[in-house]
Amino acid sequence: AQSVTQPDIHITVSEGASLELRCNYSYGATPYLFWYVQSPGQGLQLLLKYFSGDTLVQGIKGFEAEFKRSQSSFNLRKPSVHWSDAAEYFCAVGTGNQFYFGTGTSLTVIP
Amino acid sequence: GAGVSQSPRYKVTKRGQDVTLRCDPISSHATLYWYQQALGQGPEFLTYFNYEAQPDKSGLPSDRFSAERPEGSISTLTIQRTEQRDSAMYRCASSLKEPYNSPLHFGNGTRLTVT
Repeated sequence: AQSVTQPDIHITVSEGASLELRCNYSYGATPYLFWYVQSPGQGLQLLLKYFSGDTLVQGIKGFEAEFKRSQSSFNLRKPSVHWSDAAEYFCAVGTGNQFYFGTGTSLTVIP
Repeated sequence: GAGVSQSPRYKVTKRGQDVTLRCDPISSHATLYWYQQALGQGPEFLTYFNYEAQPDKSGLPSDRFSAERPEGSISTLTIQRTEQRDSAMYRCASSLKEPYNSPLHFGNGTRLTVT
């Protein structure tokens, strides 16, 4: 069965520091991968997506993610975090007609 | 419309009552999904529509849950005889087309509280 694992429930980083949020998936074929961000009171917003081709994908707000087939991972990164990045981040896999979401990682940014 | 719109934003109801939640997707989008998101969890799939057809409703937790999209645009999710365990955020999302490689666009959700 398909699944998405986000091992870190909560992460705290200092403003200006680098960030990496982990995502591992379980799927038999090459998946379609997504990262979404959820700010308080808001809907989920798409940050970036991977369908095929270059394994390093760029997204909005300075985020990027790298697909590593050998590790079944799709980790999200940002070189320098801003206070406005504090939110909940969800990794998702698209397969068939469904999207499977991880349980999310909550990001706190301290000044 | 410009984005996915859900109403109401908040709904408080008493156990045993029926509730209906509404979703107005992006007008050009063929597919529409309903998700249930419990506190501290990721969205869990309930059902989806391709225009007015409902190919998959395997995620609906019981027969108290039903969804419609009669004209292939606006959709409603109805929960009959609500129970406290139904309390959650209900999220609607639409995408341009099948298959799954078309990203989801989410509404702001409806927070349902069953007392």
